[in-house]
Amino acid sequence: EVQLVESGGGLVQPGGSLRLSCAASGFTFSSYWMNWVRQAPGKGLEWMANINQDGTEKYYMDSVKGRFTISRDNAKNSLYLQMNGLRAEDTAVYYCAREGSGGGGDSWGQGTLVTVSS
Amino acid sequence: DVVMTQSPLSLPVTLGQPASITCRCSQSLVYSDGNTYLSWFQQRPGQSPRRLIYKVSNRDSGVPDRFSGSGSGTDFTLKISWVEADDVGVYYCMQGTHWPPTFGGGTKVEIK
Repeated sequence: EVQLVESGGGLVQPGGSLRLSCAASGFTFSSYWMNWVRQAPGKGLEWMANINQDGTEKYYMDSVKGRFTISRDNAKNSLYLQMNGLRAEDTAVYYCAREGSGGGGDSWGQGTLVTVSS
Repeated sequence: DVVMTQSPLSLPVTLGQPASITCRCSQSLVYSDGNTYLSWFQQRPGQSPRRLIYKVSNRDSGVPDRFSGSGSGTDFTLKISWVEADDVGVYYCMQGTHWPPTFGGGTKVEIK
């Protein structure tokens, strides 16, 4: 069974940093593109970043480019999101999602809440 | 960015009755490989999103055949042949053809 478990969320002050992790199991992690998608409280879904199988290709939405860094460790079956320069508008539940065939995330974690507030 | 406009925003449905959600895109979703990367997601209250449909009309494993997707170019539809209580939640369309991937604003399905 495919499992994705996010961790690392919490309360952080504006301008602060946080590193999210996503532990993958139940599939060959190194064979898939992986995504981070977020959802602000009571709002819709927003794709943020993705990374290819070996970590050599990374793409970001404009509003996080230069502040967030996606990475992965295939030996540890883990996906990461380093978030720097956090802003109030980054407050959201952050999901990792496996990129399925046909596009879109075919498996999602339960999400981890990041709250940016003073 | 490609704008995905869903309608309606809210959809009250009687149990056992059909439901339909539309998604209109600001540009064609046909990719250079000939595929159309339009997906539909269900998000039940308090849960993570779950993909139901990919490439317009392909159901994911375990998705009841009450759910079907159709459409082409810029106009797409998700149909639920008959609504069950378990179908309550918010439904999103998403395009993966153009960079960056974008989601529709969501349609909340509730039971009358």
